Amino acid sequence: DVKVTQSSRYLVKRTGEKVFLECVQDMDHENMFWYRQDPGLGLRLIYFSYDVKMKEKGDIPEGYSVSREKKERFSLILESASTNQTSMYLCASITGGAAEKLFFGSGTQLSVL
Amino acid sequence: GENVEQHPSTLSVQEGDSAVIKCTYSDSASNYFPWYKQELGKRPQLIIDIRSNVGEKKDQRIAVTLNKTAKHFSLHITETQPEDSAVYFCAATLNTGFQKLVFGTGTRLLVSP
Repeated sequence: DVKVTQSSRYLVKRTGEKVFLECVQDMDHENMFWYRQDPGLGLRLIYFSYDVKMKEKGDIPEGYSVSREKKERFSLILESASTNQTSMYLCASITGGAAEKLFFGSGTQLSVL
Repeated sequence: GENVEQHPSTLSVQEGDSAVIKCTYSDSASNYFPWYKQELGKRPQLIIDIRSNVGEKKDQRIAVTLNKTAKHFSLHITETQPEDSAVYFCAATLNTGFQKLVFGTGTRLLVSP
């Protein structure tokens, strides 16, 4: 069975901390994504990557960065966490080509106090 | 870039009734339109999708229709059941081989017994 694994289900951090959210997929997918989910706002794309060491900004990249050193791992970094970054973060992956199905991780609920 | 609007934000129906969720998109070049279902506390999962060369697609109690001229597409659920209760997201993308899905804001469907 395909798997996208996010390292933490719940995280509580303090304002100003550097936060790492980790995502690993075991499907050899080229493309990986980080979304943020907020009530009434749906799923908003933060960053995506279509290859190792490649990254592209999504719709709301401010305050975030990403790292993709290996094909299976895509990390989201909050350089200095702020309270408005309290949210559910979802990682997803998909194979290259005219693929159809986006596979999501189970999400990380981040609270910044 | 693509923009997707989704309505209604909440929908309450009685078991056995039909439910319809509507989405509009802005980019006439978009050619792939999936629908994701997210049950409470779980990850979004693809339930049905449609490509721009097709006007309608059915899968048991679920159907999706697409009107390319008007740039809108809809999800239809017939004979709703309590287990259909979830948040539904529509999305749109230009499926050129690299997928960057743009999601709607979601519809919370509640099916009452």
